[in-house]
Amino acid sequence: QKEVEQNSGPLSVPEGAIASLNCTYSDRGSQSFFWYRQYSGKSPELIMFIYSNGDKEDGRFTAQLNKASQYVSLLIRDSQPSDSATYLCAPGQLTFGSGTQLTVLP
Amino acid sequence: DAEITQSPRHKITETGRQVTLACHQTWNHNNMFWYRQDLGHGLRLIHYSYGVQDTNKGEVSDGYSVSRSNTEDLPLTLESAASSQTSVYFCASSPGGSGNTIYFGEGSWLTVV
Repeated sequence: QKEVEQNSGPLSVPEGAIASLNCTYSDRGSQSFFWYRQYSGKSPELIMFIYSNGDKEDGRFTAQLNKASQYVSLLIRDSQPSDSATYLCAPGQLTFGSGTQLTVLP
Repeated sequence: DAEITQSPRHKITETGRQVTLACHQTWNHNNMFWYRQDLGHGLRLIHYSYGVQDTNKGEVSDGYSVSRSNTEDLPLTLESAASSQTSVYFCASSPGGSGNTIYFGEGSWLTVV
């Protein structure tokens, strides 16, 4: 079993829809969780971080964490074509998921 | 502005040659990392450092080495380049502690022929 698994995608949603990205992790000791966005040919950049169980909202983005289920998700509301990118989940600094490629169709 | 820079950004080298990728950050971050990114594998950790003179092996460290002689720099050396090391390499840094955001350099595209 991989340490970090993400829905493999690619995921396509129409403009204005909600995009849901999921991630499960195996290390029960993980305390901090990060979502990075990576545009093609560019380096990853932080979108959200979450430390506590529950939801954390930042603009159109909501991160959800359930440590008991070892599950973290990212919801993107009112998806825009500019959100088209690969989204990487990272529990901590040393391991990353393989990413989910999101395409938002105009 | 503080930043993290990688050089060279693109390099083509021959099998068996030694290659060094430079990474320099001006944030005074304690933590520095090297990752490689290949299609289908996401980011995989090569080596990391939590401070001067500290280095640790990551998931895919075979064939790579690093040294940390100061806070600002963590050069990555490929001892004898192999075609399997053709990849995009990202250097990154963060403040001390394992729960902080990582800031990435722009990447170095390495091709081994």
